Formats: sequence, structure tokens, C-alpha cells
Amino acid sequence: ETGVTQTPRHLVMGMTNKKSLKCEQHLGHNAMYWYKQSAKKPLELMFVYNFKEQTENNSVPSRFSPECPNSSHLFLHLHTLQPEDSALYLCASSQETSGPYEQYFGPGTRLTVT
Amino acid sequence: GQNIDQPTEMTATEGAIVQINCTYQTSGFNGLFWYQQHAGEAPTFLSYNVLDGLEEKGRFSSFLSRSKGYSYLLLKELQMKDSASYLCAVRDSNYQLIWGAGTKLIIKP
Repeated sequence: ETGVTQTPRHLVMGMTNKKSLKCEQHLGHNAMYWYKQSAKKPLELMFVYNFKEQTENNSVPSRFSPECPNSSHLFLHLHTLQPEDSALYLCASSQETSGPYEQYFGPGTRLTVT
Repeated sequence: GQNIDQPTEMTATEGAIVQINCTYQTSGFNGLFWYQQHAGEAPTFLSYNVLDGLEEKGRFSSFLSRSKGYSYLLLKELQMKDSASYLCAVRDSNYQLIWGAGTKLIIKP
């Protein structure tokens, strides 16, 4: 248990569906992150929120839409996804985005797009 | 561009020592992290280096040479539970973490 929870753990959706991934951290951190992890590839940073403000959007397609209502919760809204979007989506948090602060990861959501 | 290189896979024997190397080319440097990730699980933090030298933490040690753009993770007295992927990540001048693809470590009895 890292103090970061994610739901659902597994999700299968069609290309026309709309779904949301949820992340919650119980660590009192100020920064939260969404990553995509595909087999044998480096972790891809998607979005960064610091004190609820989005500070990074790494050229992520608009079919992925993040939402951070407060510093403890982070959502990733999904719509009209493609099969290549199938991957493990990891949420992480850290005390701050700078400094010697490691990131704590949630268990991930395994997404399959059919 | 920014790049992190680490071997794809390594094999070692239970009780032995293994060194996993990581070389990096990034725009600026604000620290290097090592994470462990067991199959199907989240990455967990192992170590952080920002100054040159060796950081020791129990059976695990991490070394950094900023002038060479090089780090290694040293695992001693290997146990079967150490079978996992080991991820190297460098924080660049924008404080963004750049990740390597990970090294899958296989431990044999």
C-alpha cells in the first residue's frame, strides 16, 4: 500500500465509449501525475498537476481529458479511444514537483480498448 | 533529444551481486531516481542521487557520476523476491522525470 489508490483496476471499453479513471492519494501531497505504461517502453508522462493547477500536458491527444478537483483527487476522462491506447495507466503523487521528493505510484488501471 | 539507456534484461544467481547500469543524456540534471517494479504492480521508490558518489541503503546501493552521465544500481545478496524490473529516471532542468524503459532482472536459484 503506497497511499495512492486507483479505480477501476481493469477496464475494457469500446472505441465509442466514455469512461473515467479515478485516483486518490492519502499522503497530503501537492503534486499528482498521470502516466501511460506500454510493454517494453519507458513510462510516458501525460499530465502533471501542482497545487491543483495543470503544469504539464505532454502533447496528449484530446481524447484524454484530466480533471483535478482538489489536491487529493485526480481523474482521467476517456472518450473515443483507439486500440493503441490500450496500456497500464498509472497515477502518482509527490510532495512537490521539484526537490528530492520521490513519486508514489498507485497500482494502475489496465485499460483495453476493443 | 533526451535519452535514458539501460539494459533490457539481466540474469543473476540467488546470493550473488548484480550491477544495473543507466546512462543518460538530458537537458539539465536535477537528480536521478531508481524504482523497482514487480510484474503487475506499481513502481516503488528505491533510491535518489543528486551528488556524485555512492548511496547505500541495506542490500541496495546507487552510484552517480554526473560528468559521465552515468549511474548504477548495485544489488547484493540477491534474493528470489528481487526478480523485478528496475527503472532509472532522471529529473531534467524543467523538473520533469525522464524514464528509461527498465531492466528486467531474473534471479535463478
